Amino acid sequence: DADVTQTPRNRITKTGKRIMLECSQTKGHDRMYWYRQDPGLGLRLIYYSFDVKDINKGEISDGYSVSRQAQAKFSLSLESAIPNQTALYFCATSDSVDYQNIQYFGAGTRLSVL
Amino acid sequence: AQSVTQPDIHITVSEGASLELRCNYSYGATPYLFWYVQSPGQGLQLLLKYFSGDTLVQGIKGFEAEFKRSQSSFNLRKPSVHWSDAAEYFCAVGTGFQKLVFGTGTRLLVSP
Repeated sequence: DADVTQTPRNRITKTGKRIMLECSQTKGHDRMYWYRQDPGLGLRLIYYSFDVKDINKGEISDGYSVSRQAQAKFSLSLESAIPNQTALYFCATSDSVDYQNIQYFGAGTRLSVL
Repeated sequence: AQSVTQPDIHITVSEGASLELRCNYSYGATPYLFWYVQSPGQGLQLLLKYFSGDTLVQGIKGFEAEFKRSQSSFNLRKPSVHWSDAAEYFCAVGTGFQKLVFGTGTRLLVSP
């Protein structure tokens, strides 16, 4: 089983719908991240959480919200999806005791908003 | 602000030929530098990293990278490319508060 699991792997939704992307990890890491990937733009940070009580906005948080339900679970929500949120979304984790802060990524969720 | 530039959007290399992917960064302090690879339908996998010490670092799958402070570069190299190396490659710099800033990626195509 993958250490960082994202569900669903693919999702098609309509404009205005609420959607939640989920991420769970078995690595025991305290830090979790959500990124989106767009062609030609690389990965951009949406939100990050350094522990269950710590949530921080990244560079492109508008239109998104997150919930850290437990150390192992970090969900990303689109309250009212719009077409320009069509992208590939990645969850990542890292361990605060690792000074190198190596991040480990899930396989991604491909989201299409029609 | 920290930034990473990968000037090549696509690169095509013949199988067996050598490879160099370019990465330039902008960061005020000593950088933590990473190369990740994304194979089709997969997440990102760490190839190698630089934090300090020897400026030539070895990674998995036969890749290496050289940190050149004077050029603000961290180019990725492989002496002989295999068809399975076809993927997208991302350079990233570690910043304060332990965030990563990624480049826009370089897609590697391998021709027979």
